[in-house]
Amino acid sequence: DAGVIQSPRHEVTEMGQEVTLRCKPISGHDYLFWYRQTMMRGLELLIYFNNNVPIDDSGMPEDRFSAKMPNASFSTLKIQPSEPRDSAVYFCASSAQWGGGEKLFFGSGTQLSVL
Amino acid sequence: KQEVTQIPAALSVPEGENLVLNCSFTDSAIYNLQWFRQDPGKGLTSLLLIQSSQREQTSGRLNASLDKSSGRSTLYIAASQPGDSATYLCAVRNTGNQFYFGTGTSLTVIP
Repeated sequence: DAGVIQSPRHEVTEMGQEVTLRCKPISGHDYLFWYRQTMMRGLELLIYFNNNVPIDDSGMPEDRFSAKMPNASFSTLKIQPSEPRDSAVYFCASSAQWGGGEKLFFGSGTQLSVL
Repeated sequence: KQEVTQIPAALSVPEGENLVLNCSFTDSAIYNLQWFRQDPGKGLTSLLLIQSSQREQTSGRLNASLDKSSGRSTLYIAASQPGDSATYLCAVRNTGNQFYFGTGTSLTVIP
C-alpha cells in the first residue's frame, strides 16, 4: 500500500483565498483524522471520521474550516476564507477498525502558508 | 480530558549512549500507546505500539514500556546513533477512540 497520501505538499496563498487540502487514506482503514501542527501548539486534532461520518469536529477552530469525506478513499479539508494564522502543517492520518491494537498512520502533510 | 506530557522537551547525547524518553498521561483508561518519530519537514512514522494489556514492546534498538496504572511510558534507545536524531512523540488512544499527543522530545545525537 502507498500509505496515506496528501496533496498538495505545499500551498502558498493570499489571505482571503479558499484553500482545499486533500487526503487519501490507506485502503481498508475506516478512521480518518485531520491534524494541524504548529510550533506553538503542537499537534491538534481538528476532526475525525468513522466510516465516512464525522464523529468529532470540536477541534475545528472556526466556521471557516470544513471537512468532508464523500467516500472511503477521499477526504478534504477546506478553509474559506484563509487567514495568516492558519499557516501550519496539516496532517491526515488513518487507522483501521476500532479494536485497540491498530496503529495510526500519517501522511506527509501539507505545509500551508497564508500571506 | 486526557493530557499527555513528554519530558524532557529536548535532549542532546553523544553517539553510543543509551537514553530514555518519558511520556506521562493523566487518564489510565487507554486502549494503546504509540511512539512516533518525526524528522524535520516530514510526517510522523510509527515506531512502536503497546496495547493496554502489554507491558513492553521491542523493535531493534528500541524498547517501549507501559505502566498504565501510573500513567507512564518510556522509550529506551540503545547505542544511540546520529541517525536517531529526530523528534519523538507519544500518543495515547483512549476509550473514546481519539489519539492524544504529547508535545514531543527533540533528540540530537552528537557524532
